[in-house]
Amino acid sequence: DGGITQSPKYLFRKEGQNVTLSCEQNLNHDAMYWYRQDPGQGLRLIYYSQIVNDFQKGDIAEGYSVSREKKESFPLTVTSAQKNPTAFYLCASSLSEGAGETQYFGPGTRLLVL
Amino acid sequence: AQSVTQPDIHITVSEGASLELRCNYSYGATPYLFWYVQSPGQGLQLLLKYFSGDTLVQGIKGFEAEFKRSQSSFNLRKPSVHWSDAAEYFCAVGADSSASKIIFGSGTRLSIRP
Repeated sequence: DGGITQSPKYLFRKEGQNVTLSCEQNLNHDAMYWYRQDPGQGLRLIYYSQIVNDFQKGDIAEGYSVSREKKESFPLTVTSAQKNPTAFYLCASSLSEGAGETQYFGPGTRLLVL
Repeated sequence: AQSVTQPDIHITVSEGASLELRCNYSYGATPYLFWYVQSPGQGLQLLLKYFSGDTLVQGIKGFEAEFKRSQSSFNLRKPSVHWSDAAEYFCAVGADSSASKIIFGSGTRLSIRP
């Protein structure tokens, strides 16, 4: 089955700790995205990558970092600099980068602060 | 600049009743339009999309949407809702000006009355 997997489903972060959210896709898609979802605010773009070894900041990149060493993987690190990390994080991918491309989403990771 | 407006934050309909969720967009040319559904604690699933051609688009789960250029609308409809349709629905427009190449509306939460 082709799709996007995210792990873990729930993640707890202590103060001052960095945590990494995993995103893997086997759809052979070039483009991948990370979104943050807060209640009543829709989806906000954190980072995106159009191709391996390249990524760009989105609208709310501060306090986050990513890497794209492999086509199928796009992990997101929430650093201690992100002061309000509690949210639902969604990873998505599309065949290529473009306005007409459908984005396919993973099941999400909920991050909570202890 | 492109934008998407979903004027209804929350809608409640009775099971078996018809449904229409509103979506208005702002875009200079023929837009790429999408409807996604999100069940609680899950990722987004594509219901349908419009690129060109027939303005009435059929999607999964018995949903359809109609593109009306004169009204800048792309409303989602279903003739008879089921309790399993309770979810959050997002309208989106493909946007070259956006980093993610897609702009999401803020969502409409659908509740089903037994």
